[in-house]
Amino acid sequence: GAVVSQHPSRVICKSGTSVKIECRSLDFQATTMFWYRQFPKKSLMLMATSNEGSKATYEQGVEKDKFLINHASLTLSTLTVTSAHPEDSSFYICSASQAGSGANVLTFGAGSRLTVL
Amino acid sequence: GQQVMQIPQYQHVQEGEDFTTYCNSSTTLSNIQWYKQRPGGHPVFLIQLVKSGEVKKQKRLTFQFGEAKKNSSLHITATQTTDVGTYFCEPLDTNAGKSTFGDGTTLTVKP
Repeated sequence: GAVVSQHPSRVICKSGTSVKIECRSLDFQATTMFWYRQFPKKSLMLMATSNEGSKATYEQGVEKDKFLINHASLTLSTLTVTSAHPEDSSFYICSASQAGSGANVLTFGAGSRLTVL
Repeated sequence: GQQVMQIPQYQHVQEGEDFTTYCNSSTTLSNIQWYKQRPGGHPVFLIQLVKSGEVKKQKRLTFQFGEAKKNSSLHITATQTTDVGTYFCEPLDTNAGKSTFGDGTTLTVKP
């Protein structure tokens, strides 16, 4: 089945630094990937839709200059949290949809837990 | 816009009891997906429902899609401790072409 690899799984950084999270589709091509943020005991909040070769589409209220998304290839999307602050601490998850798997069926990465000190 | 309500938010059951979570949308859906997220884990796809009135079964799990394609349910028969986790629905709005996750139902099972 489809596998999505997300790295790193955990990261701790100092306030003001930037952190990059990678999301790779290992055995399929993903023209579209999604980035979510999940707070403890809460649902998945869609942050942005990452489109290969074009600009990401951000959800309302998500700062595009704060959360930079790059989808440079059909198998890789990256999320960079710039100038991170403690309030950016969260669980970030990516997902991708494999063509032919059924409309809208998503495969999720394992998530990245970011802690900003 | 589309509003999604998933109930209950939490459910605590004794092992062997049944469990049901409901997902209701304010708009007509193209399809709906269900995912399970174990504690500390990431969401894992369970099923996709597309047809009006569709019923699908996976062992002790029964998934239903309403006739009006606005609601869905997941029923677990005779829960086991391995069923623990949060179950999310992800309905796809026909007109918006966009999906939204429900808030999830967190199931705990007492052995």
